[in-house]
Amino acid sequence: GAVVSQHPSWVICKSGTSVKIECRSLDFQATTMFWYRQFPKQSLMLMATSNEGSKATYEQGVEKDKFLINHASLTLSTLTVTSAHPEDSSFYICSARDPFRRSEAFFGQGTRLTVV
Amino acid sequence: GENVEQHPSTLSVQEGDSAVIKCTYSDSASNYFPWYKQELGKRPQLIIDIRSNVGEKKDQRIAVTLNKTAKHFSLHITETQPEDSAVYFCAATQDQFYFGTGTSLTVIP
Repeated sequence: GAVVSQHPSWVICKSGTSVKIECRSLDFQATTMFWYRQFPKQSLMLMATSNEGSKATYEQGVEKDKFLINHASLTLSTLTVTSAHPEDSSFYICSARDPFRRSEAFFGQGTRLTVV
Repeated sequence: GENVEQHPSTLSVQEGDSAVIKCTYSDSASNYFPWYKQELGKRPQLIIDIRSNVGEKKDQRIAVTLNKTAKHFSLHITETQPEDSAVYFCAATQDQFYFGTGTSLTVIP
C-alpha cells in the first residue's frame, strides 16, 4: 500500500510553546490529508481536512487558531499546536488519500504529544 | 458531519469462535465503509472495506456486510485467533472519514 510518514513520533514540550507535526506522503501525491486526535482507548476524532493550496476545513469545536494546518505541497501537510497546554497532550495522527485509489486512506504512524 | 456509532465497545471471545462488530451511520450520502485494526500505539491498518453498491464482501476469515436502507454495516471475524486481539474501528465516508467509537476485541486462547 501507499506510505504515509509522520514526524516526530514522540515529542515533549513545555506549556506555552508551539509544536509542529509533519505528515508526508512518500510514494504518492495527496491533494487531501486528514488530521485526527486520539485519546487513550478512544476513537479517532477528525480535527480538520487539509487541502493542498487552500485553507483547511476544520470540524466543529476545533480551534483553527490553535491548531494551524498548512498543506503547502502535494506531499506535505503540517499541524502546528500553538501555545500548547497540558490538555493538548494526545496522540495526533494524519491520513492521506491516494487519488488513484480514491477511497482508501493511509495513516501515518502518529505523534505522541506530551505538554508539561 | 457524519455520525457513526459502533457496538460493542468491548468484546471477548474464545479462540476459534466468531466475533461480530456492528456500526450504524447517519449520512445516506456516505458511499465507502472501511474497517481498520489498530494495535496499541500503532497506526490503524485497513483490513477490509466495502462500497455502497455492494452488499457483502469476504476476505478469508473476515467479512463485511452492508445494509444501505437501514444504514448499518457489520464486521464478521470467523475462527478468531489471539493475534486478532486489537481495537477495531469502522468508518463511513463520502469525502471525510468519520470513525466509530471503536471495539476492543480480546481473543482468549
